[in-house]
Amino acid sequence: GAVVSQHPSRVICKSGTSVKIECRSLDFQATTMFWYRQFPKKSLMLMATSNEGSKATYEQGVEKDKFLINHASLTLSTLTVTSAHPEDSSFYICSARVTGTNTGELFFGEGSRLTVL
Amino acid sequence: GDSVTQMEGPVTLSEEAFLTINCTYTATGYPSLFWYVQYPGEGLQLLLKATKADDKGSNKGFEATYRKETTSFHLEKGSVQVSDSAVYFCALIPGNFNKFYFGSGTKLNVKP
Repeated sequence: GAVVSQHPSRVICKSGTSVKIECRSLDFQATTMFWYRQFPKKSLMLMATSNEGSKATYEQGVEKDKFLINHASLTLSTLTVTSAHPEDSSFYICSARVTGTNTGELFFGEGSRLTVL
Repeated sequence: GDSVTQMEGPVTLSEEAFLTINCTYTATGYPSLFWYVQYPGEGLQLLLKATKADDKGSNKGFEATYRKETTSFHLEKGSVQVSDSAVYFCALIPGNFNKFYFGSGTKLNVKP
């Protein structure tokens, strides 16, 4: 199946700094990528839909100025957590759908665990 | 609106036991249904899927049948192994593919 890669897999940062997480589709083009946040013992929460060449669509309650999403090419989307705080510590997962398919299947990255001290 | 409800965990079984994880859904139209699995420390992987009523998805000994009459997509495996220990997510995507909806996840612990 299609491969989605995230980097870094783990990151620790100080409170107040910004962290960038990359999501790449390695062997396919993805017009749309999705960013999820997973809380401990809970399901995935869709944060935003990243669209290549246009602004991301954020879910209700997600601060777009805090979670900056850029989808500059058909194979790369980035999530930047700005001015991170300890409550932003979480597991962030990106996913992508193969452009042009109609199966609806999503392919997921390995996830990035962010710890804010 | 569209949603997925799955049984709460954790589910603890002995090796070779029979597994059922219930999943029901609410959706308009004709959604596609999925089971994803998340092994410890890893991202989600597609386990199986079904795109229309009465379809049966299967993979690695796991099965789930798309039941429109009961709006269910229960996951089953006849004989679980320790390596099946993971969190299992039921999910659906509506016919217009506009958004993925996940259940809350069910953690499975299989003991030797």
